Order: sequence, then structure tokens, then C-alpha cells
Amino acid sequence: GAVVSQHPSWVICKSGTSVKIECRSLDFQATTMFWYRQFPKQSLMLMATSNEGSKATYEQGVEKDKFLINHASLTLSTLTVTSAHPEDSSFYICSAETRGHSNQPQHFGDGTRLSIL
Amino acid sequence: QQQVKQSPQSLIVQKGGISIINCAYENTAFDYFPWYQQFPGKGPALLIAIRPDVSEKKEGRFTISFNKSAKQFSLHIMDSQPGDSATYFCAAIVSGNTPLVFGKGTRLSVIA
Repeated sequence: GAVVSQHPSWVICKSGTSVKIECRSLDFQATTMFWYRQFPKQSLMLMATSNEGSKATYEQGVEKDKFLINHASLTLSTLTVTSAHPEDSSFYICSAETRGHSNQPQHFGDGTRLSIL
Repeated sequence: QQQVKQSPQSLIVQKGGISIINCAYENTAFDYFPWYQQFPGKGPALLIAIRPDVSEKKEGRFTISFNKSAKQFSLHIMDSQPGDSATYFCAAIVSGNTPLVFGKGTRLSVIA
């Protein structure tokens, strides 16, 4: 149990377009989801904490208007990279807080590799 | 975020050897210490975890040693195999709706 699905797994798009990444908890409800960004050979960097029905909490240095997060239901959070540029190319990973549904506090999706041309 | 310091940055171990990765933390409120394994292009997957009331936990070839007084914990991989080659992250968390705090990762290469 406690499966987190992330879609798409890989996206390539032109500079200036917006890209939406979905994070779903498949068999449990997640009131809290987290979005991370990971550059090559580096650790996961927390971008924001997403709470169902309320505004996301962004980490210092993360542009709220650039990275739009919506957590409209207990099983879905979305991250939209608006007007993407090559420097936004990265590996984006979500995790969902399991709250008693698992023996671990969070489960991770398999990530989305975003490449901006 | 409170920091979790991880070392070494990279590690090369011969097949059959022991891989050891160390982490240190500062925040005594942390109450769960997981280790994650990440393969290229994949999200991190939980390998093994420990809570501070236990000094050691073993699951198969993987063992966590935890030293509460020193605020340190380590991962030991016994009989390391080429399939263990991956990046390993230690992490820590205060239970509740809080994010994991990750170490910087260790790239392990197990050579035959």
C-alpha cells in the first residue's frame, strides 16, 4: 500500500511554455504533499509543502509565481512550472505524507525529468 | 531547515566488502531516521529506518547504527554487491506534517 504516482515521468518542452506535473496518492489520502527539486549529483531540495485545501508553503528562494502548486483534493497535488526556461530543467519529485497508512512517514513518487529547450 | 551532514560524498567498495556511510544531525527533536536508496532517474526508496530509542537495526545485509548521545547514525551494507551501486541519502524528520531533511548523498560504486 501507500503508492504515490507521479506523471509525466519525462517531459521536454520549449522555453516559455508551462508544464504541469501531477502527484497522486493511489491508495490513501494525503493531506500533505511535498515537492522537491533535484539537480544532477545533488540532494533533494524541498521546494514547497502542499496542504489540501490551503495555499502551499514555499521554501525561501522558491518563486511562488513561477512554481504554482495546487492541492485540490486529498489524493492529488499539481506543480505547474510557468513560463519555463532552460534553468528550470531538473528532476522534480513529490512525496505524500502517509499518516498511519504506512510504516514510514512519507512515500515518494518516481520523479519527473523536465527538460526545457 | 536543520542540517543533516553526510559523509563520504562518494565511496568505492569491492564486491563482498562492507560499505559504511555516516550521518550527523543537530536537531534533538528528530525522531525518525530513514535511509533512502536512489537509482538514476528514479525517486528515492526507503531502505531502512530507525527511531532514537534503538541503537541498532538490521534488515538483511543492511544495518543502521544509532548513537543518540553523539547525534550520529550510520548505514552498513554487508557483502556489498554491484546491484547496490546507487546514491544513498540519510534523512531525519520530526514526526508530523513536516518535511524530511536530507543529507547530501553518497554515491556508492561496488566493483567486481
